[in-house]
Amino acid sequence: DVKVTQSSRYLVKRTGEKVFLECVQDMDHENMFWYRQDPGLGLRLIYFSYDVKMKEKGDIPEGYSVSREKKERFSLILESASTNQTSMYLCASTLRPAFYEQYFGPGTRLTVT
Amino acid sequence: RKEVEQDPGPFNVPEGATVAFNCTYSNSASQSFFWYRQDCRKEPKLLMSVYSSGNEDGRFTAQLNRASQYISLLIRDSKLSDSATYLCVVNANIVSDKLIFGTGTRLQVFP
Repeated sequence: DVKVTQSSRYLVKRTGEKVFLECVQDMDHENMFWYRQDPGLGLRLIYFSYDVKMKEKGDIPEGYSVSREKKERFSLILESASTNQTSMYLCASTLRPAFYEQYFGPGTRLTVT
Repeated sequence: RKEVEQDPGPFNVPEGATVAFNCTYSNSASQSFFWYRQDCRKEPKLLMSVYSSGNEDGRFTAQLNRASQYISLLIRDSKLSDSATYLCVVNANIVSDKLIFGTGTRLQVFP
């Protein structure tokens, strides 16, 4: 059974803190994604990665960075958390972007106070 | 104009009803189309892909109209378990691997 896991389901952080969200997939997929989901805005792509050590900016990369040191692990970093980064963060992986199913993790609900 | 537009609903229908959702997309060069289902407080999961010739999977039928740039999802004989948000998903353009997600249409099936 395919699986994408995320390090936390719920996270509360203070403004200015550095936040790490981790995602691990066990499907040997090369392609991994980070999205955020907000009411009325849908899923928006933050960053994606086609391979180890490779990363591409998505539509809303400002305030975020990523790390892909191993094929199965894709980390999202909030360098200095702000209240407007309060959101649901979803990680996904796929065999081939745009043509194959994207498998999502359960999400991390991040609250920045 | 949004790249992918959906009626947010909610669509409230009784069990056994037939319900249809439409979704419009703005880029005529898009090649891949999907419907994802998202239950409350859960992650999205692929419901079905949408092919040019249409696609049927049990009670679910998806169709693509390239001329008018919309895709549709028809659910027949609705079940309580069909209650969820249905996301329309389109690839950004012919050379892009990015997917554009609609904001979703919420369906509530009542007894």
